[in-house]
Amino acid sequence: QKEVEQDPGPLSVPEGAIVSLNCTYSNSAFQYFMWYRQYSRKGPELLMYTYSSGNKEDGRFTAQVDKSSKYISLFIRDSQPSDSATYLCSRGSARQLTFGSGTQLTVLP
Amino acid sequence: DVKVTQSSRYLVKRTGEKVFLECVQDMDHENMFWYRQDPGLGLRLIYFSYDVKMKEKGDIPEGYSVSREKKERFSLILESASTNQTSMYLCASSPPTDRGNTEAFFGQGTRLTVV
Repeated sequence: QKEVEQDPGPLSVPEGAIVSLNCTYSNSAFQYFMWYRQYSRKGPELLMYTYSSGNKEDGRFTAQVDKSSKYISLFIRDSQPSDSATYLCSRGSARQLTFGSGTQLTVLP
Repeated sequence: DVKVTQSSRYLVKRTGEKVFLECVQDMDHENMFWYRQDPGLGLRLIYFSYDVKMKEKGDIPEGYSVSREKKERFSLILESASTNQTSMYLCASSPPTDRGNTEAFFGQGTRLTVV
């Protein structure tokens, strides 16, 4: 079993839709969970991180961690065509990050 | 502005060639990483380094080696390139932290094709 499993997608939604991206993880040793966004032909960049359980909000983006079910979610409200990218969930320590396989999102204008 | 620079965006090499992928970061980060990214498999860690001349194997080190002679530079070496090493290679760096959270800064990637 991979340490981080992610819904593979691809996911296509109309502009303005609420998007839900999900991951599950198997190792409870690490407390920090991160979402990276990767535009086509670019390297990933950190979008949000959360610590332990609960929600963290940043503008249109909300990251949620449910440690009891080992579930990580990213919600995008009022999605825009500029949100079209691959989203990677991640967890780990400074020396080793583990990534999900990524979900490719397309927001249609 | 934070920057991780990979020496090439696109490379085409022949089977059996020795290939060098170079990565330089300007943030004085201790940790540096090499990943490969393949469709459906996500990012897989090849090697990482937490200090000059230090290296540790990641999940898929076979067929690769690394070199870190200077803090800012981390090189990935394919000793004898094979077609199954055709992939996107991503270099990243991160600062050390006691808190566990870390932001990894990625380069733009090198798409390597081995023919």
